[in-house]
Amino acid sequence: AQSVTQPDIHITVSEGASLELRCNYSYGATPYLFWYVQSPGQGLQLLLKYFSGDTLVQGIKGFEAEFKRSQSSFNLRKPSVHWSDAAEYFCAPPQGNDMRFGAGTRLTVKP
Amino acid sequence: EAGVTQFPSHSVIEKGQTVTLRCDPISGHDNLYWYRRVMGKEIKFLLHFVKESKQDESGMPNNRFLAERTGGTYSTLKVQPAELEDSGVYFCASSRVGVTQYFGPGTRLTVL
Repeated sequence: AQSVTQPDIHITVSEGASLELRCNYSYGATPYLFWYVQSPGQGLQLLLKYFSGDTLVQGIKGFEAEFKRSQSSFNLRKPSVHWSDAAEYFCAPPQGNDMRFGAGTRLTVKP
Repeated sequence: EAGVTQFPSHSVIEKGQTVTLRCDPISGHDNLYWYRRVMGKEIKFLLHFVKESKQDESGMPNNRFLAERTGGTYSTLKVQPAELEDSGVYFCASSRVGVTQYFGPGTRLTVL
């Protein structure tokens, strides 16, 4: 079964700084992987997804993620963070019919 | 295209009372899912409908939870009687085919 680990519970970055949120997966075959974001008072929004093919995936809101099999990682990146990016971010592989979410990383953006 | 909607956005009830949460999926999505996140824990799968049929309800915590999807359109999740540990955010998601699920805003349930 696929599972993911998000090692960082909380990250703080300054506005305009670059961002990388870590996601490590545990699965033998090529996994499907998703990143979702939950902004305060909002639902879960799909940022991007990886199924196969190009290992660098572009998403919405200027986010991208890179699948690295050698490191079992699917880290989320953004070159310049905006205050509106403050939210909780979830890495998730589907498992059969349902999504198996990581514990989430809460992002705080300093002015 | 309207997204997944959930009602109410927030519900506060007392222990022992009944609460019904509603989810309206994206039009044309046969698959409907319920998840919940209790305080400090991970988002957990509850169940999956395909049209009006329960495909997988392995995540339902106990028999105080009842989910229905009459006519294969909207779904309700009833908690009866509610307990303190049921407090959390209940998410609904829908999908057409494949694995990409689209989530609603959630219902925050507080049981006092």
